[in-house]
Amino acid sequence: DADVTQTPRNRITKTGKRIMLECSQTKGHDRMYWYRQDPGLGLRLIYYSFDVKDINKGEISDGYSVSRQAQAKFSLSLESAIPNQTALYFCATSDSGTVQETQYFGPGTRLLVL
Amino acid sequence: AQSVTQPDIHITVSEGASLELRCNYSYGATPYLFWYVQSPGQGLQLLLKYFSGDTLVQGIKGFEAEFKRSQSSFNLRKPSVHWSDAAEYFCAVGPYNNAGNMLTFGGGTRLMVKP
Repeated sequence: DADVTQTPRNRITKTGKRIMLECSQTKGHDRMYWYRQDPGLGLRLIYYSFDVKDINKGEISDGYSVSRQAQAKFSLSLESAIPNQTALYFCATSDSGTVQETQYFGPGTRLLVL
Repeated sequence: AQSVTQPDIHITVSEGASLELRCNYSYGATPYLFWYVQSPGQGLQLLLKYFSGDTLVQGIKGFEAEFKRSQSSFNLRKPSVHWSDAAEYFCAVGPYNNAGNMLTFGGGTRLMVKP
């Protein structure tokens, strides 16, 4: 089984709808991240969480919110989706207890906002 | 602020040819440097990373990268490309002090392999 899972893998929604993307991990890591990927721009950080009670905005947090329900779960919400939020979204995890901290990525959620 | 530039958006090489993907970074201290690969329809897989020590780093799938501080570069190389290497490659930089491993990614280089 995959260590970092994302649901759904694909989603089509309409402008103004609220949607939630979910991420779960079995790696036991304390840190979790949400990125979006746009062609030519690489990955940009939306939000990150260093533990259940610690949530921080990333580079492009406007229009998004997150919830860290447990150490293993980190959800991303679009309160009112707009077309320029069409992108590929990745969740990632890392372990602060390792000397060489590395991020591990989920398979991604492809979102289309009409 | 840290930044990463991958100058080549697309690269096409013939199968069996050598490969070099360029990565230049801007960071005020000694960086952590990473190369990730994204195969079509897949998530990102770590190829290799540099934290300290030997500046030539070996990774998975026969890839290597060399950290050159004087050139602020971390180029990825492979001596002989296979058709399965066709993918998008991302270079990333993170802070050395690890007060949060905030990765900054380059825009990616898409590699196509000709038979």
